Amino acid sequence: GENVEQHPSTLSVQEGDSAVIKCTYSDSASNYFPWYKQELGKGPQLIIDIRSNVGEKKDQRIAVTLNKTAKHFSLHITETQPEDSAVYFCAARNSNSGYALNFGKGTSLLVTP
Amino acid sequence: DVKVTQSSRYLVKRTGEKVFLECVQDMDHENMFWYRQDPGLGLRLIYFSYDVKMKEKGDIPEGYSVSREKKERFSLILESASTNQTSMYLCASTHQGAVSEAFFGQGTRLTVV
Repeated sequence: GENVEQHPSTLSVQEGDSAVIKCTYSDSASNYFPWYKQELGKGPQLIIDIRSNVGEKKDQRIAVTLNKTAKHFSLHITETQPEDSAVYFCAARNSNSGYALNFGKGTSLLVTP
Repeated sequence: DVKVTQSSRYLVKRTGEKVFLECVQDMDHENMFWYRQDPGLGLRLIYFSYDVKMKEKGDIPEGYSVSREKKERFSLILESASTNQTSMYLCASTHQGAVSEAFFGQGTRLTVV
């Protein structure tokens, strides 16, 4: 099955700096790659996603890049703010083998003022 | 506002008890999922369902079963709770579709004593 590796497991940045979280996947047929943010005491919430036919996608301060050849994708957060502090999960799905998402182990991001 | 609602935020059960975790979604989603979240292990898929009365095993189904009698409701059952099932349980739902967003409930923190 699909194996998703996520790094780093913890990340601390100063407010205003950029944060980058990286993920690799094993199933070359995976075609959908969402990123979820989980705040304390809440369920994960989608923040951005990318399909396999797209190399990059941006939404304000958040961007995701995908390298299908290398089977890795990354989340970039610019101008970080304290409210960006949360746990971030990457995931991958091969829609040809079902609708379940395979998640990375998560990155705990701390943005210090 | 779309919603996935889990019946309990916190549960404490005794070893050997039969435990029911309930999840209801109001988005008419076909697919529903149960994940388990543990520190350092991310989200692991227990069971999922593509339709009423249908179920599929995920990565860690041992010790669990599920029931989906109605489209909007997906129940996770611990047949005989054990201390190693102490965890955060997350329910999610999606429409059918290759790039359908997964919506999560707020989670149930289960402690087995």
